Amino acid sequence: GNSVTQMEGPVTLSEEAFLTINCTYTATGYPSLFWYVQYPGEGLQLLLKATKADDKGSNKGFEATYRKETTSFHLEKGSVQVSDSAVYFCALPGAGSARQLTFGSGTQLTVLP
Amino acid sequence: DAGITQSPRHKVTETGTPVTLRCHQTENHRYMYWYRQDPGHGLRLIHYSYGVKDTDKGEVSDGYSVSRSKTEDFLLTLESATSSQTSVYFCAISVRGKDDEQYFGPGTRLTVT
Repeated sequence: GNSVTQMEGPVTLSEEAFLTINCTYTATGYPSLFWYVQYPGEGLQLLLKATKADDKGSNKGFEATYRKETTSFHLEKGSVQVSDSAVYFCALPGAGSARQLTFGSGTQLTVLP
Repeated sequence: DAGITQSPRHKVTETGTPVTLRCHQTENHRYMYWYRQDPGHGLRLIHYSYGVKDTDKGEVSDGYSVSRSKTEDFLLTLESATSSQTSVYFCAISVRGKDDEQYFGPGTRLTVT
């Protein structure tokens, strides 16, 4: 079935540093790919998505490119802020009819002022 | 915001007692999901529903049952709670026709003592 492997955390950065969180996937076909963000005490929010190879999803300064050749969907941001501190999850739909999302284990990001 | 609410938001219960968690949506989405979130595991699917009275199991369904008598409500029941079911539970809806995007409720933190 479809699966995703996500960079282990936690990640601690200083404000304005560059962020990369790695995500690789295994999938049947070419499903949409997602990044979700979870702020402390809250549910998951869709951060960005890409629906086909070479698509770039972007939102709030975050970007991720759907790379078919390397089966990757790495999350990047050029200059992180303290408010970006959260847990980030890479996800993709399952291959069956349920179309539930399969998630990575999550990466805790802490940004220090 | 997909109009998803969960109740209760927090619950402490004793081992062996039954517990029911409620998910309510206001936008008439057909597909609804229950996930549990545990450290190091990301989110894992418990059960899902693809319509009124239509439900199926996910990867971690043992010890859980669900019911959906109305489109807007999806109930998760722990028949006899165990300490291993201490977790944060999230309900989600799938927006078909939007690349399988899912939107999540705020979560229920359940502690089984």
